[in-house]
Amino acid sequence: NAGVTQTPKFQVLKTGQSMTLQCAQDMNHEYMSWYRQDPGMGLRLIHYSVGAGITDQGEVPNGYNVSRSTTEDFPLRLLSAAPSQTSVYFCASSRRPGTGVSEQYFGPGTRLTVT
Amino acid sequence: GQSLEQPSEVTAVEGAIVQINCTYQTSGFYGLSWYQQHDGGAPTFLSYNALDGLEETGRFSSFLSRSDSYGYLLLQELQMKDSASYFCAWSDFNKFYFGSGTKLNVKP
Repeated sequence: NAGVTQTPKFQVLKTGQSMTLQCAQDMNHEYMSWYRQDPGMGLRLIHYSVGAGITDQGEVPNGYNVSRSTTEDFPLRLLSAAPSQTSVYFCASSRRPGTGVSEQYFGPGTRLTVT
Repeated sequence: GQSLEQPSEVTAVEGAIVQINCTYQTSGFYGLSWYQQHDGGAPTFLSYNALDGLEETGRFSSFLSRSDSYGYLLLQELQMKDSASYFCAWSDFNKFYFGSGTKLNVKP
């Protein structure tokens, strides 16, 4: 099992550029989510999905889009990068919250810098 | 609204016991989780409480009191490798919401 994989590990963008952060899991988890973590801060939820075809917004969704066409993949798109989006991005998967012990498995993170 | 509060930093000595508290305010609460994150790494799951009481996993224990909206993580026999950030996170039936984390410094 690879668990949760994320690509790329590092990325530098110029303001206004767009890109897609990839996330995949091989544990057949219903629930997937994207977080951003700024230096010295906690994890803030961007978007989440409770299954293929179903997505919803988290705390900080502005400037990001997601889709979930398969159980395995949950890409995050930055529409027009801004310096405020400089952060570390983590993807996570788990059983659906509220269905017992929902241990979230995190990918290694993508370190994004927007200049 | 919803919020989670935990101390920003705690320092303890190797071999000691340390408790990291977490208080929350939310609606639709289902459970409280704890995660560990070393510098530059990804968070890893430590423990989960849906019911009141203590859950023990090796040197780590987690406690929840739903009536007090309060939980804690207890780390025993501290080791240098326990130096990391610790996050509590509540969950409802749709999402997880993380606190801002407690940085634990373990000194020799």
